[in-house]
This record gives sequence, C-alpha cells and structure tokens, in this order.
Amino acid sequence: GAGVSQSPRYKVAKRGQDVALRCDPISGHVSLFWYQQALGQGPEFLTYFQNEAQLDKSGLPSDRFFAERPEGSVSTLKIQRTQQEDSAVYLCASSLVQFATNEKLFFGSGTQLSVL
Amino acid sequence: AQTVTQSQPEMSVQEAETVTLSCTYDTSESDYYLFWYKQPPSRQMILVIRQEAYKQQNATENRFSVNFQKAAKSFSLKISDSQLGDAAMYFCAYRSARGWDRDDKIIFGKGTRLHILP
Repeated sequence: GAGVSQSPRYKVAKRGQDVALRCDPISGHVSLFWYQQALGQGPEFLTYFQNEAQLDKSGLPSDRFFAERPEGSVSTLKIQRTQQEDSAVYLCASSLVQFATNEKLFFGSGTQLSVL
Repeated sequence: AQTVTQSQPEMSVQEAETVTLSCTYDTSESDYYLFWYKQPPSRQMILVIRQEAYKQQNATENRFSVNFQKAAKSFSLKISDSQLGDAAMYFCAYRSARGWDRDDKIIFGKGTRLHILP
C-alpha cells in the first residue's frame, strides 16, 4: 500500500485477555517502530526493528508485551493478560533505511486499545 | 536522558492570524534533530517541519517556521495565516544524530492542542 497500515483500528478487550495488533509498513521499509500513546500524552517508544531483528525493546513496559517481525515486513505487537493501564493508542512507524540518517519516518493511524 | 517539554496544553488562534507554539528540550549532545509533528483526529502523525541542530538557519515550510535557539534549548513553531485545517495536536520531538542505538529513538513532548477559531 501507499502508507503504513495498522489493524484493527479499534480493539476492545476484557481485562486478562490477550490481544495482537498488526502493522503493515510501507513496502521495502527496513526500520519499524512501535509507540504507545496514552490519552492526552505524547507517544512513548516501545520497540524498534531493523528488518527482522529487534534491536531495541527497552520501552516495552513489562514482559506481557511482545513484538515480532519474522520476515522483516509485517510486525505484530502482542499484549498478554491485558490490564486497564494498557489502554492507549498503539502507533507503528516505518522508514526506508536504517534510522541513523535524516530519514523521514512514516506513521500509521494507530490501533486504539480499550481494556475494560 | 533527553527530555522535551511543551508547556502549553492548549492554544487558540483566530483564523488567518499567527500563533506560536513553544517547546524546550534538554540534552547534553551537540548534534541532533528537532521536529514538529501534527496529529489530527485521524491519529496519523504528520511531519510538519524538521531542524538539524548544526544548521543555524531556521527551517521554514510554507506557512510554518521555527525559531531555533540552540543555547537556550528552545524550539518554537510559528504558524502564519492559520487555517481551519491546522487544528490538531502538535508534538515537538527530539532525536539524536549519533546513529541508531537505543538512545536514538524519537522522544516526543506531551503536545499542544491547537484550536482555530473561525
């Protein structure tokens, strides 16, 4: 597609339920980022992939959060045993090359997760 | 660790007028990038303008310009001739220019919600 695609756009989960959020980056983009944006806040970094390698997962808030990008394209963010504090918009972004230059970052429209 | 502070949670401006959004940041690095992103209700982050810290000249993009004061660690965004479509959340952001490692992620401020009054 022409842009970064995320699905689902909205997800409602019961507390304790597992969820999986999908990100389709722009074709050919090497770098992929996940951010968490709580209501009324700025995005907070979760994790970064370069192709299939997860180079930085320092922002994942707990071991209930897991991200993968097995073939270096589509990425999935999985949250196990969801808690109310996990409610947020999860943004995915990608860039063409390793994000070590002045490369532009393209964002998706995010998945809004509500945990009841 | 680097931080980005936006002290104005909300601002309003009359259509066609000029508005300035404030941003300060803290870093011990000398080379970095600063950004302003716009987030409309669709939630998709849109890059408005970018400034390289080594460039003294302030960046401009059509109606958008910045006032970059490196010594003061200040990076304000000026929107001229405000339009209804400018209404959105605006985020100031920082990234190191050292090259990718765990300290090179984009760091965002908490945002300023801009209202355009017709």
